[in-house]
Amino acid sequence: DQQVKQNSPSLSVQEGRISILNCDYTNSMFDYFLWYKKYPAEGPTFLISISSIKDKNEDGRFTVFLNKSAKHLSLHIVPSQPGDSAVYFCAASGSGGYQKVTFGTGTKLQVIP
Amino acid sequence: EPEVTQTPSHQVTQMGQEVILRCVPISNHLYFYWYRQILGQKVEFLVSFYNNEISEKSEIFDDQFSVERPDGSNFTLKIRSTKLEDSAMYFCASRDRVGNSPLHFGNGTRLTVT
Repeated sequence: DQQVKQNSPSLSVQEGRISILNCDYTNSMFDYFLWYKKYPAEGPTFLISISSIKDKNEDGRFTVFLNKSAKHLSLHIVPSQPGDSAVYFCAASGSGGYQKVTFGTGTKLQVIP
Repeated sequence: EPEVTQTPSHQVTQMGQEVILRCVPISNHLYFYWYRQILGQKVEFLVSFYNNEISEKSEIFDDQFSVERPDGSNFTLKIRSTKLEDSAMYFCASRDRVGNSPLHFGNGTRLTVT
């Protein structure tokens, strides 16, 4: 039961260009969405989030876009830097209860110098 | 910046043995979680814990698993009789509130069951 899907397992981008990572979800009860970055042998690190009342949230080089009608979100990284090379996880949470966060399968981003 | 700490970083155990994975969440956080990641797979929810009791658990979290907050700082995951398929990275996480707040993760314990 994959409620959060990242269909691209990997992505390669040239340094300085835009990286776009995509995510789809199926559960209409999700109303809070997050992106995490993960390096090998480390835990996921929170990057940026967006609540369902917004369609865009920006933090420095990172912007998350949410399209609720399409149940789709994306993370834009501009400009991409070699240090951005990592696995990126999309995650989602619903309201009510203790709101476990459900993760996607991840996209491995490689930024080529 | 405060962080979640986990010990040990790597645990090797024989099948059938008990293991305890330890976590110190961020001090003012109230909600605690365990996740695991089998090599190359997604990060999977195991259990959430609030106010000294389990608030939600997944189907993975069967009777061989238990969690405890024995004092004001530690949060532990016990696996009573380990199986080969329990080999994974186990991540502890905490958050200060529910409602649009991120989970903060530790660096994980790599559990290897032989």
